[in-house]
Amino acid sequence: GAGVSQSPSNKVTEKGKDVELRCDPISGHTALYWYRQRLGQGLEFLIYFQGNSAPDKSGLPSDRFSAERTGESVSTLTIQRTQQEDSAVYLCASSLEGADITDTQYFGPGTRLTVL
Amino acid sequence: SQKIEQNSEALNIQEGKTATLTCNYTNYSPAYLQWYRQDPGRGPVFLLLIRENEKEKRKERLKVTFDTTLKQSLFHITASQPADSATYLCALAGDSNYQLIWGAGTKLIIKP
Repeated sequence: GAGVSQSPSNKVTEKGKDVELRCDPISGHTALYWYRQRLGQGLEFLIYFQGNSAPDKSGLPSDRFSAERTGESVSTLTIQRTQQEDSAVYLCASSLEGADITDTQYFGPGTRLTVL
Repeated sequence: SQKIEQNSEALNIQEGKTATLTCNYTNYSPAYLQWYRQDPGRGPVFLLLIRENEKEKRKERLKVTFDTTLKQSLFHITASQPADSATYLCALAGDSNYQLIWGAGTKLIIKP
């Protein structure tokens, strides 16, 4: 079956512009995660959605970052007034339930964001 | 806070030999530790999970050990092949059931 897909694969934007990144999880997966991966660094947790529960936004680095998820499907991560330090690969993952970390996370290919 | 250290230098191994990668953590021992593989331009792919009460886990040519005294996990690939070349990431349980803390990964290069 289809895996996690993300779009766009690459995004170049100017400082101060808003960007929207999209994630399509595996069908039937109730849990969805967003991560940021800066060059040479580990993944940073950004936000977690699980079913109809309130999302865990504790990893969002500033109020310029927000994310939404429609039911148990598509999610969008929005970065407003982008800054150069936002340049990174943004990865989305989904898992069947997300109840604990033994629930395997399946990652998309990521969106490489470059802020000029 | 919990920190993970993986060797930032690339590891070069001759094909057929065993590759050993190290993951060290600094604070509490996590309930679980996971290893992932990441290829350029791709997202991480889950490989193995080991629990704190397990000393060793195997899957085909892969072996993971978990030493809570040393605060270390070792990841071994036996009979390594050029196709094993990738960056290998370790991740361990954070403060919640679903949050992982990630290492920066070690790049493994298998030379034919």
